[in-house]
Order: sequence, then structure tokens, then C-alpha cells
Amino acid sequence: GNSVTQMEGPVTLSEEAFLTINCTYTATGYPSLFWYVQYPGEGLQLLLKATKADDKGSNKGFEATYRKETTSFHLEKGSVQVSDSAVYFCALGSVSNYKLTFGKGTLLTVNP
Amino acid sequence: NAGVTQTPKFQVLKTGQSMTLQCAQDMNHNSMYWYRQDPGMGLRLIYYSASEGTTDKGEVPNGYNVSRLNKREFSLRLESAAPSQTSVYFCASSAGGAGETQYFGPGTRLLVL
Repeated sequence: GNSVTQMEGPVTLSEEAFLTINCTYTATGYPSLFWYVQYPGEGLQLLLKATKADDKGSNKGFEATYRKETTSFHLEKGSVQVSDSAVYFCALGSVSNYKLTFGKGTLLTVNP
Repeated sequence: NAGVTQTPKFQVLKTGQSMTLQCAQDMNHNSMYWYRQDPGMGLRLIYYSASEGTTDKGEVPNGYNVSRLNKREFSLRLESAAPSQTSVYFCASSAGGAGETQYFGPGTRLLVL
């Protein structure tokens, strides 16, 4: 079945540091890939997505590229801010049904 | 535009009590979902409704029932609450179809004593 593995947290960075959160997946076919973000006390919000191999999703300075050859969708940001502190979830959209499969989440804390 | 709304925001139950969590969306989406979020477990799908009139079990359906009341509303019922159901519950909706983006509500925090 489908599965998503993302790097365990927590991750603590200083403001303006470079961020990478690794995400790899197992799936049949060509799934859609997502990064969601959850700020404290809130629901999940879509951060970015990619629907086919080599697509790059981007939003708010975050980027992730759909790599079919390495089955990966790593999240990156060149310069994090305190306001980026949140939990980040990688997710995979099945090609055969309407479900999303989530990773366990990575807590990011950015210190001033 | 409200998006996905959930009520209540917070609830405390005693073991054995019942309750219904309400969810509504105003995006004219076909598909709706219920998840639970527990520390270290990510989000796990409880039930989903691919379209009005249909419901299907997800990963962790035991102890729950759902009703797709109409296209807008999808409720989750706990008939006899157990401490293991202490969690944060999220409702989501999507346009439908494989790989579509899901949009989440703000969540309901449930404590079962």
C-alpha cells in the first residue's frame, strides 16, 4: 500500500537558516504529492503540491520537487522566519481513490 | 468564505457518553473526510464520503459512525466514548477525484475521562 516517511523532528533553527525536511514515499503509479502546514492550535493548510514527476511546487518561499527516480518530495526554504514555526506534513494522494496518506509530521521551531 | 467549519471546538465526555461532531463546508465539494490526530501518529483517516449518499471506512473506523446529511454536511458520531478516543478530530473536504487537495477545518479537541 501507499506510505509516506518524513524526517523525524523536532527541528530547531535560527532565523535566516536554510531548511530541509526530507520526505520519501511508496506508491503505485504516479500519485500527487503535498506539503501541509499546521500552525499551533489550527487545522492543516495546504502549503504546496505537485502532480507529476519533475514538477516543482512553491509557496511563501518554500519549494519541493517531485522526484520520481528517488521517490522523494523534500521541502526546502532558503531563509526561515520565526513565523514559519509549525508542524509540516508530507502527504500522498492516491491515484485510485480519494484518500490522502500522511507522514507523521515534523515540528519546526525557528528562534530569533 | 468560511471554508470548512466544525463544532464544537472543545468537548469533555465521560466514558460511555455519546456525542456527534458536526462538519460543514461551503465550497460545493463532493468529498468529505474525518481524521483523528494523535501525538506521534500523524493524521489517520476514520471515515470518508466520496460523494453525497456514500460513506466508506478509513484506517481507524472502530467506535465511530458517520452520516453524510447532504452535500454540505458530514457528521461523526461516537456512540459510547472511550478514553482511547481522546484526540483532536479534523474534518476535511475536496472537490473529489484521486489526488485532489483536501481543505481542513479548525478541529475539535475531545477529552474522554
